[in-house]
Amino acid sequence: DAGVIQSPRHEVTEMGQEVTLRCKPISGHNSLFWYRQTMMRGLELLIYFNNNVPIDDSGMPEDRFSAKMPNASFSTLKIQPSEPRDSAVYFCASSFTSGASYEQYFGPGTRLTVT
Amino acid sequence: KQEVTQIPAALSVPEGENLVLNCSFTDSAIYNLQWFRQDPGKGLTSLLLIQSSQREQTSGRLNASLDKSSGRSTLYIAASQPGDSATYLCAIKRTSGTYKYIFGTGTRLKVLA
Repeated sequence: DAGVIQSPRHEVTEMGQEVTLRCKPISGHNSLFWYRQTMMRGLELLIYFNNNVPIDDSGMPEDRFSAKMPNASFSTLKIQPSEPRDSAVYFCASSFTSGASYEQYFGPGTRLTVT
Repeated sequence: KQEVTQIPAALSVPEGENLVLNCSFTDSAIYNLQWFRQDPGKGLTSLLLIQSSQREQTSGRLNASLDKSSGRSTLYIAASQPGDSATYLCAIKRTSGTYKYIFGTGTRLKVLA
């Protein structure tokens, strides 16, 4: 299995630009999670989907952030407009929540730098 | 509200030493607890997952224990090696109503050769 795939791995953009991060979960997994990690705040859950439906978006910091999951194999996290304080590593994770363990598997992350 | 704490934040030990990493949580109504490893600039790798009905799980030199009544989990690493240097995070899934995990802030481990 290829694991969770994220793209791009690195993104550098100027303040005010739109940023789109992409994630392909592990095949067969039915839940997908978007996290943000910074030195100051650690790992924060932004939003998660179950069976392509957003379940909890209480961690999304502002209206500038939006996430979609149009099908079971693809999700996007969009920031528009981006700000320097959005600089962080964004992780996508997936799990199979119809089983017993709910074990989460993480992608390699996207390092976002907003200048 | 579930809070997850990991102390110490950082730890340095000489190679070969056995060590214990701690994870404390405030709400004992958990479904499971997962230990992760994160190397610098990398994603999180799952090490062990303990169900609430279990008391421990083992994988190679790693042993994780769970004591729900005291709100504590430990990750025991035997015969530490420089390759074990990484940040270790614990995460808890509550019993019901959500699929999400609450993460601790991690312990940064450095094993000196």
